[in-house]
Amino acid sequence: KQEVTQIPAALSVPEGENLVLNCSFTDSAIYNLQWFRQDPGKGLTSLLLIQSSQREQTSGRLNASLDKSSGRSTLYIAASQPGDSATYLCAVKRGSQGNLIFGKGTKLSVKP
Amino acid sequence: DGGITQSPKYLFRKEGQNVTLSCEQNLNHDAMYWYRQDPGQGLRLIYYSQIVNDFQKGDIAEGYSVSREKKESFPLTVTSAQKNPTAFYLCASSLRGEPLSYNEQFFGPGTRLTVL
Repeated sequence: KQEVTQIPAALSVPEGENLVLNCSFTDSAIYNLQWFRQDPGKGLTSLLLIQSSQREQTSGRLNASLDKSSGRSTLYIAASQPGDSATYLCAVKRGSQGNLIFGKGTKLSVKP
Repeated sequence: DGGITQSPKYLFRKEGQNVTLSCEQNLNHDAMYWYRQDPGQGLRLIYYSQIVNDFQKGDIAEGYSVSREKKESFPLTVTSAQKNPTAFYLCASSLRGEPLSYNEQFFGPGTRLTVL
């Protein structure tokens, strides 16, 4: 059974710092991995999608990496801003059904 | 303006009542999904549909029902059989279903259901 773990559960950093959020999964047979952002009381916003054949994806200040063999992904946020404060969710796509298996998220707070 | 809409934003239900949550998408996506989110837990899959008139149970389907009569719409009914329905419900869609879909899932804004 696929399980997704995100560490840490919460993170507080000063503005301007570079930071890394971690995601690990137990079954390396994934189709893709998706990182999302969720603001309080809102839906999920897709940030980055990494195919199983890819090693990383970049969008602006965000960079996500994928190491299938070790069951790990990282989301790197450069030069953090208070507007980055949100919960970040990692999810892997199950092959046979097409739905996503989610971690519990990392709640990020960027202090001005 | 393309996207996924969910209504209502907030819903209150008395015990013993059935309620239906709406999900509509104009992205021409084939697959649609319903997830439930509880505090401190990850999202869990309730039901999903890859094509019209077909749907499958997810991990926590008991007490829920769905229909997929149109490509754009995937309503979720929370029945009185659902023991603990208070949660945040999220609908999602993707361009293609299985078996080899690499496409992103996009989410609606959610419906918060509270049982009184």
